[in-house]
Amino acid sequence: QVQLQESGPGLVKPSETLSLTCSVSGDSISSHYWSWIRQPPGKGLEWIGHIFYDGSTNYNPSLKSRVTLSVDTSKNQFSLKLSSVTAADTAVYYCGGNMWGSPFDVWGQGTVITVSS
Amino acid sequence: EIVMTQSPATLSVSPGERATLSCRASESLSSNLAWYQQKPGQAPGLLIYGASTRATGIPARFSGSESGTEFTLTISSLQSEDFAVYHCQQYHKWPYTFGQGTKLEIK
Repeated sequence: QVQLQESGPGLVKPSETLSLTCSVSGDSISSHYWSWIRQPPGKGLEWIGHIFYDGSTNYNPSLKSRVTLSVDTSKNQFSLKLSSVTAADTAVYYCGGNMWGSPFDVWGQGTVITVSS
Repeated sequence: EIVMTQSPATLSVSPGERATLSCRASESLSSNLAWYQQKPGQAPGLLIYGASTRATGIPARFSGSESGTEFTLTISSLQSEDFAVYHCQQYHKWPYTFGQGTKLEIK
């Protein structure tokens, strides 16, 4: 059974870069497409983008200019960098996985990110 | 991008009764529609995929249907553990998009 665990700073200052890592256990990192999804307080879910084990990516156009996804197959981890953050980026950030043409069947527990000085 | 619109935003139903939640897509999804359940402080969990197929371990009281670009999640007899927020999501095209969610609360 695949399990995901996010790790990150919790608090980020405005204009800085948010960095999060998701660790994959229980299966090979080549088994799924790996996504980041966020949920601002009291709002719906927003897909940020995904990466495959070979490094290929797709990003949400709404965030594409500020997002970089990467994968480290040796550590079974993938990561998110979101630059120039503002208060609007305050959210619970989830990592998730899906197989090609399928919905998200695995989710991390989520990590709360607050953007504040 | 494909816009997903859920209604109502909040639904109040008594335990044991039926709940019907709606989700509309701005274009055809070829059945690539999923429903998730999210409880407070937890990540969403997959309920339904392919518009009408229950995920592993999901009770039969949960069912999904589609008519064109309109999708419905029905919970036939509400149990206490079913009161939560429900999200629909399309995985037909990138960017994947979600509805704003329906909060199912106890009446």
